[in-house]
Amino acid sequence: AQTVTQSQPEMSVQEAETVTLSCTYDTSESDYYLFWYKQPPSRQMILVIRQEAYKQQNATENRFSVNFQKAAKSFSLKISDSQLGDAAMYFCAYRGYYNTDKLIFGTGTRLQVFP
Amino acid sequence: EPEVTQTPSHQVTQMGQEVILRCVPISNHLYFYWYRQILGQKVEFLVSFYNNEISEKSEIFDDQFSVERPDGSNFTLKIRSTKLEDSAMYFCASIPTSGIADTQYFGPGTRLTVL
Repeated sequence: AQTVTQSQPEMSVQEAETVTLSCTYDTSESDYYLFWYKQPPSRQMILVIRQEAYKQQNATENRFSVNFQKAAKSFSLKISDSQLGDAAMYFCAYRGYYNTDKLIFGTGTRLQVFP
Repeated sequence: EPEVTQTPSHQVTQMGQEVILRCVPISNHLYFYWYRQILGQKVEFLVSFYNNEISEKSEIFDDQFSVERPDGSNFTLKIRSTKLEDSAMYFCASIPTSGIADTQYFGPGTRLTVL
């Protein structure tokens, strides 16, 4: 079975600085998708970024980028120029390519942003 | 921008009572999901639903749970006889198609408290 591990329960960053959140996963599949979701205090899950495993190029969305290391099964999220509004829980999630579209989530990392 | 909506935002019930949680997915979406998040824990998949059938369910989704799409817009999760351990946030999600990694759009969640 697939698992997702986020080893950092909490992280903090100064406004305008850069922070990296870690995620590792375990799977025997070769094709899959990886996601980072943000959950602010309002509790709604918002997609931050996604990566298809067959793509070697790391995904980027404005200030958010990932470092996808398929062999190492690692999928970290880098937030550049951190803003106060980035403060939230961040969940890493895995989705298989075949026969399923359920998301498997990690335990989350709480990010605090200090002015 | 269209959003997934959920009602109620907070439901309090007595153990053993039936509850129905309601979701209105985005109108052109075809695949629907329920997830739950026990306080302080990770988000867990419950069930996926397509073409008026359950397409996948987790071990959590036992006989006490059922899902229904009673009309063209609502998607409901029923818990027949609630237990204390059913207390959690319940999130509905939807995507327009499957087969590719379309984004799962999440609703704001319903907090269920079982007393």
